[in-house]
Order: sequence, then structure tokens, then C-alpha cells
Amino acid sequence: EAGVAQSPRYKIIEKRQSVAFWCNPISGHATLYWYQQILGQGPKLLIQFQNNGVVDDSQLPKDRFSAERLKGVDSTLKIQPAKLEDSAVYLCASSSGTSGAGYNEQFFGPGTRLTVL
Amino acid sequence: QKEVEQNSGPLSVPEGAIASLNCTYSDRGSQSFFWYRQYSGKSPELIMFIYSNGDKEDGRFTAQLNKASQYVSLLIRDSQPSDSATYLCAVLGVGFNKFYFGSGTKLNVKP
Repeated sequence: EAGVAQSPRYKIIEKRQSVAFWCNPISGHATLYWYQQILGQGPKLLIQFQNNGVVDDSQLPKDRFSAERLKGVDSTLKIQPAKLEDSAVYLCASSSGTSGAGYNEQFFGPGTRLTVL
Repeated sequence: QKEVEQNSGPLSVPEGAIASLNCTYSDRGSQSFFWYRQYSGKSPELIMFIYSNGDKEDGRFTAQLNKASQYVSLLIRDSQPSDSATYLCAVLGVGFNKFYFGSGTKLNVKP
């Protein structure tokens, strides 16, 4: 079974530029998560999709971040314009469960390390 | 108040000792609890999950849950240098599989 795929693995941009990250979850997984992990901190949930619908984006800075999962499969996270404090690893994860399930293991992709100069 | 709190460490233990990692959470309605291991520069990987009060053992790892005290812990017996990593506690919130992660505890196992 193929794991969660992410690209690119690394990205360096100047502040105020735009950047996009791509994620392909494990086949059949209905739930997709985007996390931001700043060095020395735990992952912070940015947005959670259930199929192609958003179920939680309360911590997504919507003035600069956007995400979509149009066909309920792969997803794109965009930052426009980037700030210095956006430097972090962006992790995509997927799980198979639906709302209310007691246990849903999240499988993480390798992450995209973003550096904003 | 953070949803999930962990001591950032580092926690240093000698090889062969027991490492004890602790986590508290704020949402009394939380049902499921997870321990992830994250090596430097890598993604988190699931070690154990627990959703019933008491202990759950898997090899050298034991997860302990006390819902009344809103406390979950991970014990690593016979610690090995390869266990050196950051251990993340995660809690499944009520509804829609929303996970809250702690900031992690860095464990160093010294040979």
C-alpha cells in the first residue's frame, strides 16, 4: 500500500511570494489533514477535509492560506503572500475513519520544509 | 490553556532504564489518545493508542490512561539509543476526528 505522498519536499521562497504544496493521501482515505509544524513544536492542525468538504479550518490563517480538495482525493495548500513566520514543515496526513469513530490512525506524509527568507 | 500539554524535556535516561513520558489534556470529553514518535527531520509515526482507562502494553511500550485525572503516559522499558526521538501525545477531540497534538517531549537514551 502506497503511503501519503507530498511534494515538493523542500521549498525556499522570499517573503511576499506565493507557494503551493500538494498532497496525495492513501487510496480510499476519506479524511485528509494539513498540519503546520514549527521547529520545536508539535503539529498544529490547519485544515481537515472529510472527502471534499471542510470540517475544520478554525486555525487556518484565511487571509493568506487556502486549501482545496476538489475531487475528494488529492489536496493543495497555498500560501499567498508568505511571511517569515510561515517557515515550518507542512505535514499532510490521512485517515480512513469518519466522524465519531473511536480510533483512526493518521498516516503522515514526509512533509514539505518551507523556508521563507 | 493548551489542549494537550507535555514537558518539552529533554528527558535523559541511560540505556536499559525505563523512560516515563507524561501528557495532560483539557477536554474531558476526549475519547482516544495516541503516542507518536518523531525522529529528527522525519514525520510522526504512531506507536500506540489507548481509549480505555488503565494500561495497554505492546512490547516494550506501555500506555497508561486516567480519564478522571485527564492524564496519559507512555512507559518505555529497556530503553535503547534508537528510542531517542521526540514523543508526541495526541488526543482525539469530540466529533470529526480532530486531533490535538502536544508540543512533544524529547527523549535521549544514553549508551
